[in-house]
Formats: sequence, structure tokens, C-alpha cells
Amino acid sequence: DTAVSQTPKYLVTQMGNDKSIKCEQNLGHDTMYWYKQDSKKFLKIMFSYNNKELIINETVPNRFSPKSPDKAHLNLHINSLELGDSAVYFCASSHGLAGPSGDTQYFGPGTRLTVL
Amino acid sequence: SQKIEQNSEALNIQEGKTATLTCNYTNYSPAYLQWYRQDPGRGPVFLLLIRENEKEKRKERLKVTFDTTLKQSLFHITASQPADSATYLCAPVNQAGTALIFGKGTTLSVSS
Repeated sequence: DTAVSQTPKYLVTQMGNDKSIKCEQNLGHDTMYWYKQDSKKFLKIMFSYNNKELIINETVPNRFSPKSPDKAHLNLHINSLELGDSAVYFCASSHGLAGPSGDTQYFGPGTRLTVL
Repeated sequence: SQKIEQNSEALNIQEGKTATLTCNYTNYSPAYLQWYRQDPGRGPVFLLLIRENEKEKRKERLKVTFDTTLKQSLFHITASQPADSATYLCAPVNQAGTALIFGKGTTLSVSS
């Protein structure tokens, strides 16, 4: 059973195209995230949704638009792709904003996006 | 700006030895700190969490320390095994419970 799944695993596309990456979790979690891992290997948060509501939106170009149709899904749509968008994108989920009690995140396998 | 540094990009040790990985952070006051393991082509997997008021945390062969004065966390793997070979990431976590940025990791190689 896959806890957090992403599709596609690899995505190769031309500059200027629009593409989507899908994420689904079957853990019953309330919070989902998108992270970007660039070529320098830093993993940085992009967005976070709690119960379908956007709660974190880091400094990300507005070409990136997350969509959460329900608690189990958080898709990432990217318009007008640029070379610098090439990276591995990870979806993650967690129980919720647990604060001092800690909140473990469960990551998907990643989607490697290559923009040519 | 917030900065996370993990000592070296690569650490090579022999089986049976203790591996020690370092995570330093600046311009950050995390409520706690998480350590994750990442294998090639896979997403990070949670290992341990340590809170700011805890000095040390253990789980089987893993031990984590957290020094908020030095702004540093140490991650130890005792009696290391080749199966421990992976990249280990540290992630300071804010009060809301979210890791906003992860360190780029230390790749550990354990040779038999």
C-alpha cells in the first residue's frame, strides 16, 4: 500500500508548456505539502494545505498553483514552464499542525521535472 | 536569512564504527528538529525528532542531540552497517510544526 503517491515520476517538457503533477495520500492526514528539491539538493517548502485550505505559500512564482479537490489530494499545476523549474518535486502529508508535539511528514517518491 | 549547514556532503566509514553527522543552523529558532533519511530516487523518510528542551533522543542504534546554544544537532549511528548508507537530512521545525527548509544532507557510505 502506497501511503503518498505522485504521478508522474518523470516529466520532460518544453519551455512555455503547462503541466500538472498529482499527489494522493491514503493516510487520512489533514495536511499536505509540496516541496522542491533543486540541483543543490536543498529541499524547500512551496505550499501547505490543511483541510483543503491554503496555509503556507512561500515565495513561489504565481505560475505555480496548487489545487486541493479534497483532503486526500493536492495537485500542483505549473504554467509557462521555465528552465529554472527543473527540479524534483515532492509531495508530503502529515496529521496536522501539531505544534510542540511534533508532526511527522510522510513524503511521496518525487517527480523529476526536466524543462528543455 | 535562515541557513542550514550539514557538515560534509559525504562521509565514508567502515562497518561497525559510529557515524556522526552535524547540522548547524543560523537565523532560526526551531521548536524542534527532525532527521530524515533519503535513498536515491526516493522521498525522505522520518527517523527522529528532538524538541528544544530535550538534550538527547535515542532510537535503537540512532542518537540525536540538540544544543540550542550552539545551534547545532548531532546525529549518531552506532555499529553502522552497509544498509545505513544513504543521505541524511536535518530539518529545523517551526512552532507551527512545519519544516520550511531541509539541509542538503550528508551522504553516508558504510563499507564492509
